[in-house]
Order: sequence, then C-alpha cells, then structure tokens
Amino acid sequence: DIQMTQSPASLSASLEEIVTITCQASQDIGNWLSWYQQKPGKSPQLLIYGATSLADGVPSRFSGSRSGTQYSLKISRLQVEDIGIYYCLQAYSAPWTFGGGTKLELK
Amino acid sequence: EVQLVESGGGLVQPGRSLKLSCAASGFTFSNYYMAWVRQAPKKGLEWVATISTSGSRTYYPDSVKGRFTISRDNAKSSLYLQMNSLKSEDTATYYCARVNRGVDYWGQGVMVTVSS
Repeated sequence: DIQMTQSPASLSASLEEIVTITCQASQDIGNWLSWYQQKPGKSPQLLIYGATSLADGVPSRFSGSRSGTQYSLKISRLQVEDIGIYYCLQAYSAPWTFGGGTKLELK
Repeated sequence: EVQLVESGGGLVQPGRSLKLSCAASGFTFSNYYMAWVRQAPKKGLEWVATISTSGSRTYYPDSVKGRFTISRDNAKSSLYLQMNSLKSEDTATYYCARVNRGVDYWGQGVMVTVSS
C-alpha cells in the first residue's frame, strides 16, 4: 500500500502569513494527489487536484506543487476562513490513502 | 447543483449488518465512479470503497474487504454500502463521494455507531 506522510500534524500561524503543508508519498504516484479542507462539523472540500490544479471556486491564495514524491499545499496569505484540518489523498492506486491531516490554527 | 444525501445510519450491535444509501442529484450519476469514505470520531479520513460507472468493478481496503459491499443503481441515481459483521472500529461518519479529480463532491455524512 502507498503511505502518505503528512506534516506538520498541527500548525499555528498568523493572519496574512504564508503556510505550507507537505505530503510525502512512499512511492511514485504521478500527479494523482489532491488536497482537502475540512472545517469543524463539515464535510471535506476539494481544494487542489492533479497535484497543482485549483478546484472551482477555491481562492487563488491556495496553490499546490510537486517535487518528485513530495507534494505541497501553500496558502499565500492566511485568512480567518482558512482555519481547519487539511488532508492530502493519493488516488494513484487502490487502496487510496489519505495523509494523517494537518490542523491549522490561528496564532 | 450536485447533491449527495446519505441515509441509513444508526446504532447497531457488533456482528450485525447495516445498509447505507446515498441519493445523488444534479449530475448524470451513471457517468461517474462513486466512493464511500469514513471518519472515526476525532480521527482522519479513511477510504472505504469505490465502484465503477457500471458497477462491474469494485475496490476495497483490507480493513473492510469481505465484510462491506458497495453497489449502485444507475436508474435510481443511488449508491449503497452493505456493511456486514460490523465491529466497534467501524464506528464513524460515512461520506458518499463523487470520484472526479480525486473526490470533488461529498455528502453531509451519516453516523454509524457499533456498540452493544
């Protein structure tokens, strides 16, 4: 099975700060990587697909990148509404696997 | 507007069965792979099952293989998850999900509690 190691597990940042979350895949998954945001009591929402493509309606301050088997989600200027838990997902091969999640809080 | 509405959750004893349903609307259901994803209380997301457009191909992780069965009725735009031999570790919120670019739409989730 492909393991997705997500870091950090938690992160405290200030408004307008740049935030970066990473997922390391245990093997090549190409661009079959997506990112999700989950707010308390809500369903996850798609942010990024294909490692770098912004989902419809997602603010442009969110971006995704890839370097080999390491994938990153960047928030260029943190806003209050960005608080929540972030997950990566590899859908390259079954079983699909999620990263462990990153809890993003305001400092 | 795409909508995925789950139903069928509740409290069930260990070893018993439960069937979840998901009513889809706002898109051509038969054109999309569909999936179930779960989230145990205060835990992360776990993929549970995926089904192809026709229903001919299904995929499961080892944790539920042989106990859970995903199925679909394209005429009714409905997705199902039959869960047998339930264990306490199956306690979770179960999300119906549309497979596209990963998962592009999620239902609101339905809670399943396995306890005696």
